[in-house]
Amino acid sequence: EAQVTQNPRYLITVTGKKLTVTCSQNMNHEYMSWYRQDPGLGLRQIYYSMNVEVTDKGDVPEGYKVSRKEKRNFPLILESPSPNQTSLYFCASRKPGLAGAVNEQFFGPGTRLTVL
Amino acid sequence: AQSVSQHNHHVILSEAASLELGCNYSYGGTVNLFWYVQYPGQHLQLLLKYFSGDPLVKGIKGFEAEFIKSKFSFNLRKPSVQWSDTAEYFCAVSTNAGKSTFGDGTTLTVKP
Repeated sequence: EAQVTQNPRYLITVTGKKLTVTCSQNMNHEYMSWYRQDPGLGLRQIYYSMNVEVTDKGDVPEGYKVSRKEKRNFPLILESPSPNQTSLYFCASRKPGLAGAVNEQFFGPGTRLTVL
Repeated sequence: AQSVSQHNHHVILSEAASLELGCNYSYGGTVNLFWYVQYPGQHLQLLLKYFSGDPLVKGIKGFEAEFIKSKFSFNLRKPSVQWSDTAEYFCAVSTNAGKSTFGDGTTLTVKP
């Protein structure tokens, strides 16, 4: 089954304790992204990657790191989490489009993170 | 910089009522516009998208959207909503460089 998986699905942690949220897709997609969803703010893009070893900042990258060493994986790293990073996080992937077109994104199930 | 504005944050309708959700965008390049839906407890999934061609786009479950370039709008419509349309709806603009911007979302509640 074609899918984007995220782990863990739920995480409660404390301020300053480094954590990683994994994201993996089995569709051989070049593009991957991380978003956070907060009430009333919609989805905001944290980082995105156009391919292996190519990453770029989205709208809210502060406090986050990513890496793209393999095509299928795009982990999100919080080196020193703070309470304002409490949120619902989504990973997404898509194929590149042709001639300016952008394909739809496929989303993972989400990771609900609470930082105390 | 690109931006998306959704006008209605929470809409409540009775079954069989017509729906229109507003979306305005700001982007200077080639426009790729999307509507995604998030049903309770489920992943976000695509409703419909527009890149070029016919500005009236049809999607899944009877939804459609009209791209009006002069108004920078991409409003979502459905002639007759059902209880199962209760969900959160997001308008988004994406570039082929990978950047995506979503609106704040509209929560639709359909009363049976």
